[in-house]
Amino acid sequence: GQQLNQSPQSMFIQEGEDVSMNCTSSSIFNTWLWYKQDPGEGPVLLIALYKAGELTSNGRLTAQFGITRKDSFLNISASIPSDVGIYFCAGQLPDMRFGAGTRLTVKP
Amino acid sequence: NAGVTQTPKFRVLKTGQSMTLLCAQDMNHEYMYWYRQDPGMGLRLIHYSVGEGTTAKGEVPDGYNVSRLKKQNFLLGLESAAPSQTSVYFCASRPTGGVEAFFGQGTRLTVV
Repeated sequence: GQQLNQSPQSMFIQEGEDVSMNCTSSSIFNTWLWYKQDPGEGPVLLIALYKAGELTSNGRLTAQFGITRKDSFLNISASIPSDVGIYFCAGQLPDMRFGAGTRLTVKP
Repeated sequence: NAGVTQTPKFRVLKTGQSMTLLCAQDMNHEYMYWYRQDPGMGLRLIHYSVGEGTTAKGEVPDGYNVSRLKKQNFLLGLESAAPSQTSVYFCASRPTGGVEAFFGQGTRLTVV
């Protein structure tokens, strides 16, 4: 089964609201990644995290690598309609495992 | 620069038929991956490869085989398709030392 537990499964928010999602793992990862998948497309990398405690931003997105190296958080501020999609966390070992995803819907 | 190309994009199979999905990348990446995506299950790793001539099992390898005879190609085979293999299949590649994986557009497979 999945090594990564991602929550929430889905979110329905109003445009302009902030969003927070997280991912926990039974394994320690050296790298945490956050991807976004638009409908009908493959996932695209948003943010990569390399060190425990690291906080990284990419525009309105902010992600953190948990101190225990077994969790990570992604925040989206001031959501807009194009934020709609599925957000995945991923942990990288030699292979690359993904969480089940958070499906985000933004109402204008 | 095509990136990662998956062939075919859509396919319908009858139970028991066999087929091969092709993934080709033109970025000279060492690592290649095959995932399946089902509603509510996210992306589950089927098999992966860390270089030409190598393959390894992922989370859900049963019913699938893979081959990496050339560095740029990673083939996923279904020997005897089952309805449970109905899914969207994604291939990805990434370079050694890099963290970003580049995904193909996906193959939607239906087994009836």
